[in-house]
Amino acid sequence: GENVEQHPSTLSVQEGDSAVIKCTYSDSASNYFPWYKQELGKRPQLIIDIRSNVGEKKDQRIAVTLNKTAKHFSLHITETQPEDSAVYFCGIGNQFYFGTGTSLTVIP
Amino acid sequence: DSGVTQTPKHLITATGQRVTLRCSPRSGDLSVYWYQQSLDQGLQFLIQYYNGEERAKGNILERFSAQQFPDLHSELNLSSLELGDSALYFCASSPYATGVTAEAFFGQGTRLTVV
Repeated sequence: GENVEQHPSTLSVQEGDSAVIKCTYSDSASNYFPWYKQELGKRPQLIIDIRSNVGEKKDQRIAVTLNKTAKHFSLHITETQPEDSAVYFCGIGNQFYFGTGTSLTVIP
Repeated sequence: DSGVTQTPKHLITATGQRVTLRCSPRSGDLSVYWYQQSLDQGLQFLIQYYNGEERAKGNILERFSAQQFPDLHSELNLSSLELGDSALYFCASSPYATGVTAEAFFGQGTRLTVV
């Protein structure tokens, strides 16, 4: 299967600060890179995705950047709020292989 | 509500038993994916079906099997259950075949507890 590494595994930030989560992958043929947010006890939900023909995509406070040469992509959350606290998973490819997750805590 | 329905929501069973988890995808979605999420663990991809056929296999144990029926609902069968099989099992669906990528919509999950 695909190899996806996600860092960090846990992240604590002060409210209003930025958070960055990074994923690296091994299959150069991958062309779809989604990010899912999973709140405690709930199902994962897509928050943003990017395709390989685009280097950056932004949606309000959330952005994703992709470096296909280096095979990594990152999730950026600006002006973090307590409701951003959740586990975030990066995914790749058709079969939606996921990283191991990042538990983000936003401290009020 | 994602439109993906999983039943049952909770399941408690004894070691050595067999259980069946059911997933109904969103209307029109042809792909169904199964994942296992153990406590404080990530989403482990198990298997994917597309329009009734197996399309991709992840880290699925030989004791586990799945199928997708003509009405597109899917079942995940877990047999000879062990304590370590206790986990949250998610299914997800998407509209397309492999080669065309799109968002996967997750069900609420089935929490399996093996005692």
